[in-house]
Amino acid sequence: GNSVTQMEGPVTLSEEAFLTINCTYTATGYPSLFWYVQYPGEGLQLLLKATKADDKGSNKGFEATYRKETTSFHLEKGSVQVSDSAVYFCALRGNNYQLIWGAGTKLIIKP
Amino acid sequence: DTAVSQTPKYLVTQMGNDKSIKCEQNLGHDTMYWYKQDSKKFLKIMFSYNNKELIINETVPNRFSPKSPDKAHLNLHINSLELGDSAVYFCASTLGGRRVDEQYFGPGTRLTVT
Repeated sequence: GNSVTQMEGPVTLSEEAFLTINCTYTATGYPSLFWYVQYPGEGLQLLLKATKADDKGSNKGFEATYRKETTSFHLEKGSVQVSDSAVYFCALRGNNYQLIWGAGTKLIIKP
Repeated sequence: DTAVSQTPKYLVTQMGNDKSIKCEQNLGHDTMYWYKQDSKKFLKIMFSYNNKELIINETVPNRFSPKSPDKAHLNLHINSLELGDSAVYFCASTLGGRRVDEQYFGPGTRLTVT
């Protein structure tokens, strides 16, 4: 069945460091892929998405490329800020009204 | 304007009590969800309704009962609360039926059972 695996957190970085959060998936076909972000005390919100292979999603300086060869959708940002501290969820569009979620990766950015 | 709202935001109650959480969306979406998020941030889907019809009913205790009076509302009633029910509960909605795309989340209800 469909599944999403994310790197385990927390990931702790200093401000202005380069960020990568790994996400790999197992799926039949080529489903849409998503990154959601959850800031402290809030609900999840869509950060970016990609709907087909080789698409790159981007938003707020974050990027992720849909790689079917490696079944990956890694999240990257060139220079993180303290305000990026949050929990990041990778997800894929499943069947029957569902998103299939990864376990979430907590990101801590230190000034 | 709040897109997906939940009430209450915090709920502290004792074991054995019955409580309800309400959710409303003003986005015109036709599919709504309830999720449970545990202390490790793991997100587990509980229920989903599409046009007031139950379409996802994951393995949760039958003490949990969703109700959708109309497309814009999805409430969650919990009977005989237990310590393990303590979590943050999120409501979400989406437009698009089976080909779900972006989900919009409410701010969450933090339930603490003592």
